Amino acid sequence: SQQGEEDPQALSIQEGENATMNCSYKTSINNLQWYRQNSGRGLVHLILIRSNEREKHSGRLRVTLDTSKKSSSLLITASRAADTASYFCATVDTGRRALTFGSGTRLQVQP
Amino acid sequence: DAGVTQSPTHLIKTRGQQVTLRCSPKSGHDTVSWYQQALGQGPQFIFQYYEEEERQRGNFPDRFSGHQFPNYSSELNVNALLLGDSALYLCASSSQLVGNQPQHFGDGTRLSIL
Repeated sequence: SQQGEEDPQALSIQEGENATMNCSYKTSINNLQWYRQNSGRGLVHLILIRSNEREKHSGRLRVTLDTSKKSSSLLITASRAADTASYFCATVDTGRRALTFGSGTRLQVQP
Repeated sequence: DAGVTQSPTHLIKTRGQQVTLRCSPKSGHDTVSWYQQALGQGPQFIFQYYEEEERQRGNFPDRFSGHQFPNYSSELNVNALLLGDSALYLCASSSQLVGNQPQHFGDGTRLSIL
């Protein structure tokens, strides 16, 4: 079963703009991860945030985690056409190692 | 350093048939997980193998089974195929000894059931 919902389901922006995606989950987690998937390809890991962390940066990516609200957000700054892809959040529940994915956000960056 | 490799890339089967998908993990990884991704959906966890045993299982019927070999590679077997089994099947690898780490995914096998 899916862990929760991602919001929005689809997002279209212009190159240079920022893109924000949100993710909600339902259980107690060990960590939360964000992955990118280009059409028909495998998933590429972007960033991992532990349950005791609130914010993490990696290049143009910024991830926040609010365990009290069971939610996370991914911000991509200064987007590029190459950022066009589907983005998924995935949680690792406490005591488990399997990933539970959200439904994804399809991002389209117009050149 | 080879990443996760899966074979075949595409497969077409008919209802009732059986299929075997294969996965070689990233070098240095000993744990393999399998996921099913229906079109337009997020991946769903099928099961995870470590030390040649199934360690965790998602909500999938017994028609889905697997195996892990001593070299850490893995197979996913699906019996009595249904139209609803059409999906992208993803393999991911990781190291059991390292906590809080990402999984590394292959490009998947696209399975179509006619």
